[in-house]
Amino acid sequence: GENVEQHPSTLSVQEGDSAVIKCTYSDSASNYFPWYKQELGKGPQLIIDIRSNVGEKKDQRIAVTLNKTAKHFSLHITETQPEDSAVYFCAASGGSYIPTFGRGTSLIVHP
Amino acid sequence: KAGVTQTPRYLIKTRGQQVTLSCSPISGHRSVSWYQQTPGQGLQFLFEYFSETQRNKGNFPGRFSGRQFSNSRSEMNVSTLELGDSALYLCASSQSTGGMYGYTFGSGTRLTVV
Repeated sequence: GENVEQHPSTLSVQEGDSAVIKCTYSDSASNYFPWYKQELGKGPQLIIDIRSNVGEKKDQRIAVTLNKTAKHFSLHITETQPEDSAVYFCAASGGSYIPTFGRGTSLIVHP
Repeated sequence: KAGVTQTPRYLIKTRGQQVTLSCSPISGHRSVSWYQQTPGQGLQFLFEYFSETQRNKGNFPGRFSGRQFSNSRSEMNVSTLELGDSALYLCASSQSTGGMYGYTFGSGTRLTVV
């Protein structure tokens, strides 16, 4: 089955800095890669996604890049703000038909 | 439009008891998936229902079961509760199976087994 590795597990940045979270996947049949943000006391929220026919996608301060050959994808957050502090999860779908999630990255943005 | 509604938000149960959790998906979504979230194991897939049929099942014992009704609302049941079942149980609503268009998650039910 699919295996998704996510790094780092914790990321601490100063407000205004950029943050990058990386994920690798094992199943070359996976073709859909969403990212979720989970704030304390809430369920994960879909913030951006990318499909395998696209290399990069942007939405304001967040962007996702995908390298199919290397089987890795990354979330980039620019100009971080305290409200970006949360746990971020990557996932991969399409191969096993059940999304496989990474273990999560706790992002802390210091004011 | 209304989001995914999970009830109850919190539950405390004793070992050996059973529990039923409820989920109302977004209107028009026919797929409901259930996940168990713990600090040690992350998000673990339990099962997925689409049009009242179980389409996929994760690697959990038979004590975990679920069903979906004709209005797409779903319930999951855990029988003979164990301490290790303490977790946040998340319901995820989707337009299609396999989460291929992303999930909308509910806020979860926090189950504590004592």
